Amino acid sequence: EAQVTQNPRYLITVTGKKLTVTCSQNMNHEYMSWYRQDPGLGLRQIYYSMNVEVTDKGDVPEGYKVSRKEKRNFPLILESPSPNQTSLYFCASRLAGDPYEQYFGPGTRLTVT
Amino acid sequence: AQSVTQPDIHITVSEGASLELRCNYSYGATPYLFWYVQSPGQGLQLLLKYFSGDTLVQGIKGFEAEFKRSQSSFNLRKPSVHWSDAAEYFCAVVQLTYSSASKIIFGSGTRLSIRP
Repeated sequence: EAQVTQNPRYLITVTGKKLTVTCSQNMNHEYMSWYRQDPGLGLRQIYYSMNVEVTDKGDVPEGYKVSRKEKRNFPLILESPSPNQTSLYFCASRLAGDPYEQYFGPGTRLTVT
Repeated sequence: AQSVTQPDIHITVSEGASLELRCNYSYGATPYLFWYVQSPGQGLQLLLKYFSGDTLVQGIKGFEAEFKRSQSSFNLRKPSVHWSDAAEYFCAVVQLTYSSASKIIFGSGTRLSIRP
């Protein structure tokens, strides 16, 4: 089954404790991205990756890092989480040549205390 | 820059009543528009999309949307809502770029509640 998976689905952590949210897709998609969803703001793009070893900032990249060492994986790294990063995070993927068919993961709800 | 506006933050309708969720976009050319639904605790599901052609688009779960260029709108409708339609709905537009870095711009969402 074609899908985007994220782990963990729920995470409660404390300020400053480094964490990684994993994202994996099995559709051989070149393009992957991370969004955060906040009430009243919709989904905003954090980072995206056009292919392996090619990443770029989205609209709200501050406080986040990403890496793309393999085509299927696109982890989101919070080196020093802060309470304002409490949010719902979605990973998404698509074919590079098809900007219209994007597949979303189930989401990761992160709480930073 | 492209943008999407959903003017209604929260709407409550009675079960069986009709529904219309508003969406306005800002885009210079023909937009590529979507409606997504997010049920409580779930991810995003694509309801329908408009690229070109017929301005009335049919989607899943009995939803439809009408593209009106003159009003820059892409409103979502359903003739009779069910309690299971309670969810958050997002309108979105594709922001095309010269490269393959095109991305989806989302509206702020409309939360739909259903009154029994």
